[in-house]
Amino acid sequence: DVKVTQSSRYLVKRTGEKVFLECVQDMDHENMFWYRQDPGLGLRLIYFSYDVKMKEKGDIPEGYSVSREKKERFSLILESASTNQTSMYLCASRVGANEQYFGPGTRLTVT
Amino acid sequence: EDQVTQSPEALRLQEGESSSLNCSYTVSGLRGLFWYRQDPGKGPEFLFTLYSAGEEKEKERLKATLTKKESFLHITAPKPEDSATYLCAVQAWYTGNQFYFGTGTSLTVIP
Repeated sequence: DVKVTQSSRYLVKRTGEKVFLECVQDMDHENMFWYRQDPGLGLRLIYFSYDVKMKEKGDIPEGYSVSREKKERFSLILESASTNQTSMYLCASRVGANEQYFGPGTRLTVT
Repeated sequence: EDQVTQSPEALRLQEGESSSLNCSYTVSGLRGLFWYRQDPGKGPEFLFTLYSAGEEKEKERLKATLTKKESFLHITAPKPEDSATYLCAVQAWYTGNQFYFGTGTSLTVIP
């Protein structure tokens, strides 16, 4: 079974803090994704990576950056957290053109 | 703009009362349509992938079908444990790795 893990289930941060969300997958998938999920808006793609050190912007990259130094690990960075970044953050991975597998999610609250 | 629309937004069924959820899409050149189940506070769990019109997939009480512009998730004799939000996502040939998600149907099955 594919396993995607995320570093925290719940996180509370203050406005202006730098926030790191980490995702690890154990299936040697080349593609990894970061989404945020908000009520009524569904899942929106922030960034994805198709290889180590490679990344592409999704639909809502503003205020976020990513890092992929190793194939199994994909980090999402909020350079200066703001209250409008309070959300559920979901990481996913996939191989080739197949389905994406999701992690359990991190519920981030920025106060 | 590419769009995925799911209906209804919410559905309440009595245990054993069969029904269908709808996912309509406007992308041209469908590469794949994906169904996920999401429990509250958790990441989406992959259910099915459909690639071409006429294709069907089944798993326990769930059956997914695909036409040229929509997909249905049929739930036969549902049980309370089928209560969840069901998400649909599509990928087009020209969108690379990007999936477009609907906002989901929240299903409640009452004992």
